[in-house]
Amino acid sequence: DAGITQSPRHKVTETGTPVTLRCHQTENHRYMYWYRQDPGHGLRLIHYSYGVKDTDKGEVSDGYSVSRSKTEDFLLTLESATSSQTSVYFCAISESEVTGELFFGEGSRLTVL
Amino acid sequence: KNQVEQSPQSLIILEGKNCTLQCNYTVSPFSNLRWYKQDTGRGPVSLTIMTFSENTKSNGRYTATLDADTKQSSLHITASQLSDSASYICVVSRSSASKIIFGSGTRLSIRP
Repeated sequence: DAGITQSPRHKVTETGTPVTLRCHQTENHRYMYWYRQDPGHGLRLIHYSYGVKDTDKGEVSDGYSVSRSKTEDFLLTLESATSSQTSVYFCAISESEVTGELFFGEGSRLTVL
Repeated sequence: KNQVEQSPQSLIILEGKNCTLQCNYTVSPFSNLRWYKQDTGRGPVSLTIMTFSENTKSNGRYTATLDADTKQSSLHITASQLSDSASYICVVSRSSASKIIFGSGTRLSIRP
């Protein structure tokens, strides 16, 4: 299994509080992604990174920010959580943006009350 | 619009039976197509990957086909096992604009 660790795996928080999810990889892959998965939807890209300090928005980036200060860590921050951000969040890594296989973490389940 | 459509949304079959899942896409320009298996509560795991020139690829009891002309793919599972109960996700990559597009998945349940 690819070395990807997400933390926390489960979190319950209240509306308006900040939340940070962490993705840590030991594979030294260049590309890292944050997705959210909701019933009835495919995995949707929030943000991705193509190198240290190089990030870009995905299709559902509103309300989220990311940072990548080291190759191995990619942080997803919800500055002020809302109930619509209740979801399962997956981190993924890849060596190549198009041809490379995506390796996923185990997911972080976030509930915003 | 670049889309990936999967059918059926859900499927229930008896253990030991075969089944076929479908994926239709309108992604262009096409780079590759992957099938992922996602067990409940886990992250997706890759089963197969096919490029434009490949029309069949197997991984154990899983066989994926690709018809690039009609933009259709299928995943055939032979002699199903209880452990095959999962969601199966079709993922298509574009060769430009570097975009990966996910289908909504097929939820497969295997009954003993």
